[in-house]
Amino acid sequence: DTGVSQNPRHKITKRGQNVTFRCDPISEHNRLYWYRQTLGQGPEFLTYFQNEAQLEKSRLLSDRFSAERPKGSFSTLEIQRTEQGDSAMYLCASSLDGTNTEAFFGQGTRLTVV
Amino acid sequence: LAKTTQPISMDSYEGQEVNITCSHNNIATNDYITWYQQFPSQGPRFIIQGYKTKVTNEVASLFIPADRKSSTLSLPRVSLSDTAVYYCLVVSASGGSYIPTFGRGTSLIVHP
Repeated sequence: DTGVSQNPRHKITKRGQNVTFRCDPISEHNRLYWYRQTLGQGPEFLTYFQNEAQLEKSRLLSDRFSAERPKGSFSTLEIQRTEQGDSAMYLCASSLDGTNTEAFFGQGTRLTVV
Repeated sequence: LAKTTQPISMDSYEGQEVNITCSHNNIATNDYITWYQQFPSQGPRFIIQGYKTKVTNEVASLFIPADRKSSTLSLPRVSLSDTAVYYCLVVSASGGSYIPTFGRGTSLIVHP
């Protein structure tokens, strides 16, 4: 296992379309995080899974966003009815359970809504 | 949630030591201080983490005074490849979880 893998790396979609991103965490990691990052800003937390349970969601995560982590392995992030403001880099990270453990990030999926 | 404040940007030259200071006045007893590095078009990468005093690894040192209201990341003898954004995080428990929360970071530019 070489790290956190995200697919696709780039996605261009038309406004109003639905998109889905996939994240494969490091295999033994039971925590999984999704972030969104726009140019010049730090990553913004979206949601967090402990195994298959979605434990926290940011207020940034509108009703158009949904995330799943079936069986506590890979995770998907879906955005419905995309808007131009959704254009950003979507980052996934995973970590082991425990106090303040290191989070390992994937290379992200860059979404452009046209 | 402890808020962090760090300089928006810094400039340095190859071979110099760089110190980036972060303030976190509202840090709680159980919080840790963590630093990440991010290159363009890549996800952040963990550099170092500490609770108090000094922590050193092969990449950097982290200095934390007794009151823990600030911390300083020290990069010895930087090279051009150290040009990146550096984030200071105070990782806090929220309902039993520890969610890394990022600010805007410090953009470090290393000049030849």
